[in-house]
Amino acid sequence: EVQLVESGGGLVQPGGSLRLSCAASGFTFNNYWMSWVRQAPGKGLEWVANIKEDGSEKYYVDSVKGRFTISRDNAKNSLYLQMNSLRAEDTAVYYCVRSKEGGRARPLDYWGQGTLVTVSS
Amino acid sequence: DIVMTQSPDSLAVSLGERATINCKSSQSVLNTSNNKNYLAWYQQKAGQPPKLLIYWASTRESGVPDRFSGSGSGTDFTLTISSLQAEDVAVYYCQQHYSTPPYTFGQGTKLEIK
Repeated sequence: EVQLVESGGGLVQPGGSLRLSCAASGFTFNNYWMSWVRQAPGKGLEWVANIKEDGSEKYYVDSVKGRFTISRDNAKNSLYLQMNSLRAEDTAVYYCVRSKEGGRARPLDYWGQGTLVTVSS
Repeated sequence: DIVMTQSPDSLAVSLGERATINCKSSQSVLNTSNNKNYLAWYQQKAGQPPKLLIYWASTRESGVPDRFSGSGSGTDFTLTISSLQAEDVAVYYCQQHYSTPPYTFGQGTKLEIK
């Protein structure tokens, strides 16, 4: 059974940093592109970033470029999101998501339960 | 970036009736080299993460009931629920995953029972 379990969310002050982790199991992690998608309270979905199977390609939405870094450790079956210079508008539930196998441009077929990040003073 | 626009924002349909949600992209998401539309539909029930329903615009994900269907090509797409069930109450999102990211979502359509 595919499982994606996020951790690391919490309350952080504006300008602060946070590192999200996602533990993956039930599939061959290094065969899949992985993504982070976020959802502000009561709002819609926003694609944030994704990373290639071997970590050699990374893409970001413009609003987080230069502040967020996606990474992965295939030996640990783990995905990460380092978030720096956090702003109030980064407040959201962050989902760890797997893409269907076969490359970058694939739909998102498994989602974690999400971890809440709140940026507030 | 490709902008995805869904209509309507909310929809109330009687049980057993048809529900139709539309999604329009600001540019074509059809890859002419493989004739695939890079368009997916997701269902999000209250308090849950989204679930993939349809991909390549019209391919149902494994386990998704056949009352859900997707259609369209290029820039205009439709999600149809042929006979609405109570468990279909949710917010539905379209997403384009064409070419280079970001892979943008529509704003969502809230589906309720009339």
